[in-house]
Amino acid sequence: QVQLVESGGGVVQPGRSLRLSCAASGFTFSRFGMHWVRQAPGKGLEWMAAISHDSSTITYGESVKGRITISRDNSQNTVFLQIYSLRVEDTAVYYCARSWQELVLDSWFDPCGQGTLVTVSS
Amino acid sequence: QSALTQPPSASGSPGQSVTISCTGTSNDVGGHKYVSWYQQTPGKAPKLIIYEVSKRPSGVPDRFSGSKSGNTASLTVSGLQAEDEADYHCSSYAGDRNLVFGGGTKLTVL
Repeated sequence: QVQLVESGGGVVQPGRSLRLSCAASGFTFSRFGMHWVRQAPGKGLEWMAAISHDSSTITYGESVKGRITISRDNSQNTVFLQIYSLRVEDTAVYYCARSWQELVLDSWFDPCGQGTLVTVSS
Repeated sequence: QSALTQPPSASGSPGQSVTISCTGTSNDVGGHKYVSWYQQTPGKAPKLIIYEVSKRPSGVPDRFSGSKSGNTASLTVSGLQAEDEADYHCSSYAGDRNLVFGGGTKLTVL
């Protein structure tokens, strides 16, 4: 079955950088776009970034544009999210998610992984 | 503050119908058919239940339905069941390859 497993979260000091990973299995990773979405404690979802199946299209949310980089390695079935200059307000659970259709970077996604918690604190 | 506006809470008794609204602008909800809804139970990842305004993924009960009028999208849950108690999040394409979400609505089954 489709499985997405995020890693790389933890406690990090403000101003530092962090790279999150999402390992995919159970489907042909190279045929699907991928998204990153986050959820601050007790808050709603916030879309952060998406990358097409072949990395030809990359898009970022307005609130984080310039501070994050999404990338993927189809040979490793993994998508990454690099976050720079971390702020306290970046504290959240970060989910990776698969785009809905093959070869299309959809505006919706499913499934999501179980998430990785990033806590930004001094 | 979220780009789309949802009521923080909604409730209904088993068997009743509940509608959750999601209000945006002509730049997002009103300007595109790319509205989706996600269901999230405590401690779990979001799950897609409606896409492209009113389409249901396979396996989602037909008790869940979506619609849109102007700048407001709606999710209706008919024949409420205890298992429907969850947070519901709306999302819309907002142009320029950008997606936006609402703040989420906590649905309580009384």
